[in-house]
Amino acid sequence: AQTVTQSQPEMSVQEAETVTLSCTYDTSESDYYLFWYKQPPSRQMILVIRQEAYKQQNATENRFSVNFQKAAKSFSLKISDSQLGDAAMYFCAYRSADYGGSQGNLIFGKGTKLSVKP
Amino acid sequence: SQTIHQWPATLVQPVGSPLSLECTVEGTSNPNLYWYRQAAGRGLQLLFYSVGIGQISSEVPQNLSASRPQDRQFILSSKKLLLSDSGFYLCAWSSVGGVKTQYFGPGTRLLVL
Repeated sequence: AQTVTQSQPEMSVQEAETVTLSCTYDTSESDYYLFWYKQPPSRQMILVIRQEAYKQQNATENRFSVNFQKAAKSFSLKISDSQLGDAAMYFCAYRSADYGGSQGNLIFGKGTKLSVKP
Repeated sequence: SQTIHQWPATLVQPVGSPLSLECTVEGTSNPNLYWYRQAAGRGLQLLFYSVGIGQISSEVPQNLSASRPQDRQFILSSKKLLLSDSGFYLCAWSSVGGVKTQYFGPGTRLLVL
């Protein structure tokens, strides 16, 4: 079974600085998708960025980018020019591309709480 | 654009009482629908998913059930709540094709006393 590990329960960053959140996963599959979700205090899960495993190019979305290392099974999130509104729980998630009976179910890590200091 | 709604936003219920949480999606047809539970300080646990009306798959045996009476409506129910049912319940939808990225609703906070 696939697993997702976020080894940093909490992280802190100074406003306007850059921070990197770590995520590793375990799978025997070759085709899959990876996601980062943000959960602010309102607790609604918001998609930050996604990466298709077959793409070598790292995904970017404005200030958010990933470092996808398929061989190492690593998928870190870099937040540049951190803003106060970036403070939230960040969850890494994995989804198999071979659905079988799972129909695209996500496997989540336990999350990293990011604090942004003014 | 697609939107997803959940209600109620907050619910306090006594042990042994019934439960009904509703989720509706707008702006898309025939979505995949999901129910997750998030216990305090923990990650998300998938409870149910549905690929069509009346089609429900359960991921975790529990005190809860789900139904999909309409294409864009997903209901989470219980006949008798337990203390352990307390948590934050999130509904999500995804398209049938492509990457199937899941988009989440605002959630329901359930406290069972």
